[in-house]
Amino acid sequence: AQTVTQSQPEMSVQEAETVTLSCTYDTSESDYYLFWYKQPPSRQMILVIRQEAYKQQNATENRFSVNFQKAAKSFSLKISDSQLGDAAMYFCAFDQGGSEKLVFGKGTKLTVNP
Amino acid sequence: DTGVSQDPRHKITKRGQNVTFRCDPISEHNRLYWYRQTLGQGPEFLTYFQNEAQLEKSRLLSDRFSAERPKGSFSTLEIQRTEQGDSAMYLCASSSGHRVVYEQYFGPGTRLTVT
Repeated sequence: AQTVTQSQPEMSVQEAETVTLSCTYDTSESDYYLFWYKQPPSRQMILVIRQEAYKQQNATENRFSVNFQKAAKSFSLKISDSQLGDAAMYFCAFDQGGSEKLVFGKGTKLTVNP
Repeated sequence: DTGVSQDPRHKITKRGQNVTFRCDPISEHNRLYWYRQTLGQGPEFLTYFQNEAQLEKSRLLSDRFSAERPKGSFSTLEIQRTEQGDSAMYLCASSSGHRVVYEQYFGPGTRLTVT
């Protein structure tokens, strides 16, 4: 069974600084997707960034980028120029290609200090 | 389109009662998913539909749980004889099914409290 591990229950960063959230996953498959979702307090979950396993290039979305290490089964999220609005729970998620079900980690609570 | 909507947002019920939740997906999305999220955990997959067909059910979905999507549009999730362990946030998501731009869009969730 696929598993996703987020080893940092909580992280904090100063506004305008950079922070990296860690995620590792376990799978024997070669075709899959990885995601980072953001869940602000009392608000719905939104997709931050997506990575297809067959792509070697790391995905980037504005201030958000990933470091995808397929051999190490590692998928970390880097947030640059952190903003107060980035404060939220961040979930790493895995989807084996075609399975249509996301497997989530337990999340990392990110606090942004002014 | 305003995104995925869920109703009610909060539900408090007594143990043993039945409850039903509704999810309205993004209108052009043919895939709909249900997840359950307990405090301090990430969401866990329950079931998913392609149009009106229920294609997969997690073993988490006991026989007290049933989900339907009768016309391939909105979906309902019913829990019969609720137990305190059913207290959780129930999340609905939808997607277009296009693998090139694969993304599940989530609703705000229904928070269930069983007393």
